[in-house]
Amino acid sequence: NAGVTQTPKFQVLKTGQSMTLQCAQDMNHEYMSWYRQDPGMGLRLIHYSVGAGITDQGEVPNGYNVSRSTTEDFPLRLLSAAPSQTSVYFCASSYSGEGYTFGSGTRLTVV
Amino acid sequence: GQQVMQIPQYQHVQEGEDFTTYCNSSTTLSNIQWYKQRPGGHPVFLIQLVKSGEVKKQKRLTFQFGEAKKNSSLHITATQTTDVGTYFCAGPLYNTDKLIFGTGTRLQVFP
Repeated sequence: NAGVTQTPKFQVLKTGQSMTLQCAQDMNHEYMSWYRQDPGMGLRLIHYSVGAGITDQGEVPNGYNVSRSTTEDFPLRLLSAAPSQTSVYFCASSYSGEGYTFGSGTRLTVV
Repeated sequence: GQQVMQIPQYQHVQEGEDFTTYCNSSTTLSNIQWYKQRPGGHPVFLIQLVKSGEVKKQKRLTFQFGEAKKNSSLHITATQTTDVGTYFCAGPLYNTDKLIFGTGTRLQVFP
């Protein structure tokens, strides 16, 4: 099992560009979430999903879109990148909301 | 909105000393989860507590869930250098499946 796979690991964007952060899991988990972590800070929930076709907003959803067309994949789209979106992004999945497995993260810099 | 705070924010100890981090929620939690994040790594699930007053142990780590289910603690006995990292508590936002993380406690252990 690969667990939770995030791509890319590093990305530099220019202000205004759009991009998609990929997240895939092979554990047949229903629950998937996206978090961002800023230096010295905790993890803030961006969007989450409890199953294919179901998504909901987290604490800091503005500027991000998600979709969940399959159980395995949960991509995060940045619509128009801003310097305030410079962060480390973690995708996580769970069978039932207990004990999330995290990916290794995507380090995003917006210049 | 719901907030999950942790104290202390940072602690450094001599190897062999004990360490405790405290987690406090502004609302009652259905469960509390604990995660560890090593420097430069991703969060790793440690344990989940569900019942009021519950105590669980994992080797040198002792986890407690308060009677009112609004606070929790993690105690490490005789710290080792391998305990270095940031410890996060997390709980579901009231009446939802959104997992909200605490502010974290960063532990540094000096040999």
